[in-house]
Amino acid sequence: KAGVTQTPRYLIKTRGQQVTLSCSPISGHRSVSWYQQTPGQGLQFLFEYFSETQRNKGNFPGRFSGRQFSNSRSEMNVSTLELGDSALYLCASSLEGAVGYTFGSGTRLTVV
Amino acid sequence: AQSVTQLGSHVSVSEGALVLLRCNYSSSVPPYLFWYVQYPNQGLQLLLKYTSAATLVKGINGFEAEFKKSETSFHLTKPSAHMSDAAEYFCAVIGGSQGNLIFGKGTKLSVKP
Repeated sequence: KAGVTQTPRYLIKTRGQQVTLSCSPISGHRSVSWYQQTPGQGLQFLFEYFSETQRNKGNFPGRFSGRQFSNSRSEMNVSTLELGDSALYLCASSLEGAVGYTFGSGTRLTVV
Repeated sequence: AQSVTQLGSHVSVSEGALVLLRCNYSSSVPPYLFWYVQYPNQGLQLLLKYTSAATLVKGINGFEAEFKKSETSFHLTKPSAHMSDAAEYFCAVIGGSQGNLIFGKGTKLSVKP
């Protein structure tokens, strides 16, 4: 079956702009989590959505937001981009009740 | 709060040699522990996970890890390194109230011919 699909794979944006990233989970997976990966901070949890509701949130400013649709696809949005937002953004999906997360290939965001 | 510490940001081994990547965890409850591998410009691929069923966990690509409660460790091993094992490896634990993954800083494995 298809894995976790993230689009686009690469993005270049200018400071002050906003960006939307998309994640399609594995079929049947209703939980979607987002992580930011940077060389300095490593892998950090952004938020998790389950059944269209944000279930958990990490320690990121309000410029980072997300949502989940009825088909479990999720988007994350970053407004007023800063240089420090340059990172690999990873999405992971999981099956409720199961222990484990399957990650997508990520979206590489570069802010210039 | 749960956390993991990976000892050694870089490990270099010769092809055919033993691979040992170290991970220690901190958890007030029985943890769920994971090892992920990341190849350049790729996402994370699950190698193996510990869910308290068995202390010796076998994963993909010949990797295994042993959960040692007395040492709070979950080290990753492979008897014989292959060039294709060169990648970055992350140890992770499921966090407390949020239930998200908490990752170590990662260990970059180099394999010399």
